Amino acid sequence: DAGVIQSPRHEVTEMGQEVTLRCKPISGHDYLFWYRQTMMRGLELLIYFNNNVPIDDSGMPEDRFSAKMPNASFSTLKIQPSEPRDSAVYFCASSPSWRGSNEQYFGPGTRLTVT
Amino acid sequence: DQQVKQNSPSLSVQEGRISILNCDYTNSMFDYFLWYKKYPAEGPTFLISISSIKDKNEDGRFTVFLNKSAKHLSLHIVPSQPGDSAVYFCAASALGNQFYFGTGTSLTVIP
Repeated sequence: DAGVIQSPRHEVTEMGQEVTLRCKPISGHDYLFWYRQTMMRGLELLIYFNNNVPIDDSGMPEDRFSAKMPNASFSTLKIQPSEPRDSAVYFCASSPSWRGSNEQYFGPGTRLTVT
Repeated sequence: DQQVKQNSPSLSVQEGRISILNCDYTNSMFDYFLWYKKYPAEGPTFLISISSIKDKNEDGRFTVFLNKSAKHLSLHIVPSQPGDSAVYFCAASALGNQFYFGTGTSLTVIP
């Protein structure tokens, strides 16, 4: 398996622009997670899905952030409008089953820079 | 509020010596803990885990120790190798809920 695939790997955009990050989980995994990594806060869970349904989005920082999972093999994280403080590395992860005792498989991340 | 804390942003160790990475948590309900390793430009990869019913788990050169009374866990790497140079994240969860990650410790193993 190719693992979790994220695109783009790097994104540079200007403040106010819309940004869309994409993720393809590992085939057969029922859970998909979006994380944001910053120096100050480490890895923060933004939202996670189970069988394409959003389960917990309490980590989404503001209404400017939205995530969708239209099918089992694709998810997007959208920021509209983007702000400089959104600059971070965004990771997608998937898991075959998850009760807090299974590892998650992370993608390589998307480094977002908002100027 | 950080529920999982890694107070040492960086650590340097000589090759062959022991590396000890520390992690503290505040939530007494946490019952499962993991360590992830992250190389530059890659996503974190799972390294080792421990359940709260244990106080030690060993996997090759890696051992995780859990001190529930102190709400502290540590990762020991013996002997340390240059390929171990990476950022290490600890994570904790309670009752099967979401994982909370620390801010990471950057380990450099000097040849």
